[in-house]
Amino acid sequence: DAKTTQPNSMESNEEEPVHLPCNHSTISGTDYIHWYRQLPSQGPEYVIHGLTSNVNNRMASLAIAEDRKSSTLILHRATLRDAAVYYCILLREAGSYQLTFGKGTKLSVIP
Amino acid sequence: EAGVAQSPRYKIIEKRQSVAFWCNPISGHATLYWYQQILGQGPKLLIQFQNNGVVDDSQLPKDRFSAERLKGVDSTLKIQPAKLEDSAVYLCASSRPFAGGGESFEQYFGPGTRLTVT
Repeated sequence: DAKTTQPNSMESNEEEPVHLPCNHSTISGTDYIHWYRQLPSQGPEYVIHGLTSNVNNRMASLAIAEDRKSSTLILHRATLRDAAVYYCILLREAGSYQLTFGKGTKLSVIP
Repeated sequence: EAGVAQSPRYKIIEKRQSVAFWCNPISGHATLYWYQQILGQGPKLLIQFQNNGVVDDSQLPKDRFSAERLKGVDSTLKIQPAKLEDSAVYLCASSRPFAGGGESFEQYFGPGTRLTVT
């Protein structure tokens, strides 16, 4: 399975934008880029996903590099509730559709 | 819609004892997953069910762990006997079948059961 690389931790000030990077240099053509986040003492929750084009939803935006070897999750205005571990995961459009979690990026939001 | 339910939320047992966790997925979700999350790490898949059949249990320590999914709905995960290294959060997740073509494949997770083995 293709792997992803994320920074261990990041900090952001409240109400400022946050850009969470993810490298996936061995991504294949049928791999979707998924982001999940895990708030303290909760199970992970889906944030956003994309294949080639940039995507927006009510939670975040996903910017995908043209060569698809990296992507960036964008939180437009960080709130204290956004403090969580963010996971970047590649999901192949075939097979058993399993999520393989790495260690993710721990985002701290400073008031 | 109601989320994924898990019980108990917390459990403390001594090593060599047995323990069972219960999961009720979102109604209509055919696929069910059990994950183990050790402190400081991401969740690791233990077993995946499609309806009441096992899709993948390659990472399930079968000498001590067992799981079943009754009638394709609820599921139980059992550990017998427990070891100290089994201390972790056990997460259950469910999903609709993936139709491909860009449809979101989203797993919905329960709150987890925190197991402490002493």
